[in-house]
Amino acid sequence: NAGVTQTPKFRILKIGQSMTLQCTQDMNHNYMYWYRQDPGMGLKLIYYSVGAGITDKGEVPNGYNVSRSTTEDFPLRLELAAPSQTSVYFCASSYISRGVYNEQFFGPGTRLTVL
Amino acid sequence: GIQVEQSPPDLILQEGANSTLRCNFSDSVNNLQWFHQNPWGQLINLFYIPSGTKQNGRLSATTVATERYSLLYISSSQTTDSGVYFCAVRVGETSGSRLTFGEGTQLTVNP
Repeated sequence: NAGVTQTPKFRILKIGQSMTLQCTQDMNHNYMYWYRQDPGMGLKLIYYSVGAGITDKGEVPNGYNVSRSTTEDFPLRLELAAPSQTSVYFCASSYISRGVYNEQFFGPGTRLTVL
Repeated sequence: GIQVEQSPPDLILQEGANSTLRCNFSDSVNNLQWFHQNPWGQLINLFYIPSGTKQNGRLSATTVATERYSLLYISSSQTTDSGVYFCAVRVGETSGSRLTFGEGTQLTVNP
C-alpha cells in the first residue's frame, strides 16, 4: 500500500490564483481530512469527509472547498489564494466503523507559498 | 474546545540521554496519538494510545486518561530522533472524529 499520497509537494501561487491540492488513499478508509500547519504550530482541521459524497467544515474552512466523489480521492480547492494561506497542507485518513475510531494516517504534505 | 498542552516546548539532549515528553489535555478523550515530525516535515505515527502503556523499541508511551495526561519516553536518544513531537487527541463523538493537536515539543539531539 502506498498509504496517503499528496500532489504537488511544493507550489508557489500569486495572490488571486486558484489551485487544487490532490490527495489519494489506497487503504479503503472511509474518513478523510485536510489539515494545515502554520510555522511553529500544530495542525488545524480545514475540512473532513465521512464518506463519498459527504463533506463538512472543520476549524478553519474559510477560503477552501472540497469534494469527495470517490472513497479514494479528497481534493482541496483554493479559489482565490491569499498570503494567509501560505502553509503546509496535510491530508489524512482513518477507518471508523460502528463508533470504533482507529488512528489517522497522514500524507507527506504540500508546501504552499502565496506571494 | 479541548486544550492540549505539551511540555517542554524545547529540549536539547546529548546523544544517549533519556527524556520524557508530557501531554496534558483539558477534557476526557477517547483517543490519543503521538507523532514525530522529522526535519523534512513528514508526520510519522508513533503510538495510538487512548489508555495504558505501549513500547516500540527505544520509545514507549503511557496514557492515564482519568488524570488527563500522556507521557512519551525516549531512551538512549539518537540524532535521528530530532524533530517535533506532537500529541493529538480526539474528544467524544465530535464532528468528524478530528484530532486536536498540541503545539509540539521541539527535540534536538546533538552528537
